[in-house]
Amino acid sequence: GAGVSQSPSNKVTEKGKDVELRCDPISGHTALYWYRQRLGQGLEFLIYFQGNSAPDKSGLPSDRFSAERTGESVSTLTIQRTQQEDSAVYLCASSLGVVYGQYFGPGTRLTVT
Amino acid sequence: GESVGLHLPTLSVQEGDNSIINCAYSNSASDYFIWYKQESGKGPQFIIDIRSNMDKRQGQRVTVLLNKTVKHLSLQIAATQPGDSAVYFCAENPNAGGTSYGKLTFGQGTILTVHP
Repeated sequence: GAGVSQSPSNKVTEKGKDVELRCDPISGHTALYWYRQRLGQGLEFLIYFQGNSAPDKSGLPSDRFSAERTGESVSTLTIQRTQQEDSAVYLCASSLGVVYGQYFGPGTRLTVT
Repeated sequence: GESVGLHLPTLSVQEGDNSIINCAYSNSASDYFIWYKQESGKGPQFIIDIRSNMDKRQGQRVTVLLNKTVKHLSLQIAATQPGDSAVYFCAENPNAGGTSYGKLTFGQGTILTVHP
C-alpha cells in the first residue's frame, strides 16, 4: 500500500519568509509525528498528534513553529519568519498508535538562504 | 539528560559477513525500541522493534537483542549485502505506555558500509 508522502520534496526560501510543509500519513494510522534532521545527525522530535487528543508540542523549538492536522489525515507544519538555522530535512511519520512502530516519509529538505 | 547513543560511528564489512551494530540507552524507563535504516536522501525505514518484556526478536536476516541489565541494544544483520549499506539508527520510546507517548529519541547513527 501507499506509504507516508510529503511535499514538497525540496524547498528553498529566503530568510524571513514563511513556509508550509505537508504530510499525508498512511491511511488508517491514527498517530502522526514530525521530526527534524540536521545534516549528519539523528532525528529531533518536534510534535505528534494522536487521534482527537491535544497534540504534544513539547519538541517545537520556538513559537515560529506550528503544526495542524485535520482529523486523522493530512498535517501541515508551518515555520514563520524562517531563519538559516531552520535549514534541515523535516520528516513526517505515522503509526497505528503511539505504541506501534513509526513509518517515515521521504522528508522535505528545507534550505533557508 | 536521557539519551540514546551508539558505540561505533562507522562499520565496514565484507559482503556475506555478519554485522553487529550496537546502541546504549540511558533511560531505564524505556520500554520500546526500534531500529531504523536510512539511505542517502530517504526517510528512515523501519527494520525491527522490540519491547522491554523481550530480550531477543528475529526478523528476516535481522535480529535485535536487548540487555536491560546494561541498557544495551544491538542489531545483527546476517549475510550482509551491499544493499544493506546505510546509516542505522536506534530509537527509544521512553514511555510507550506512560505519558510521553510518541517521543522517539534517536541516537546519532552508525554508518554501515558493505564491500563487495
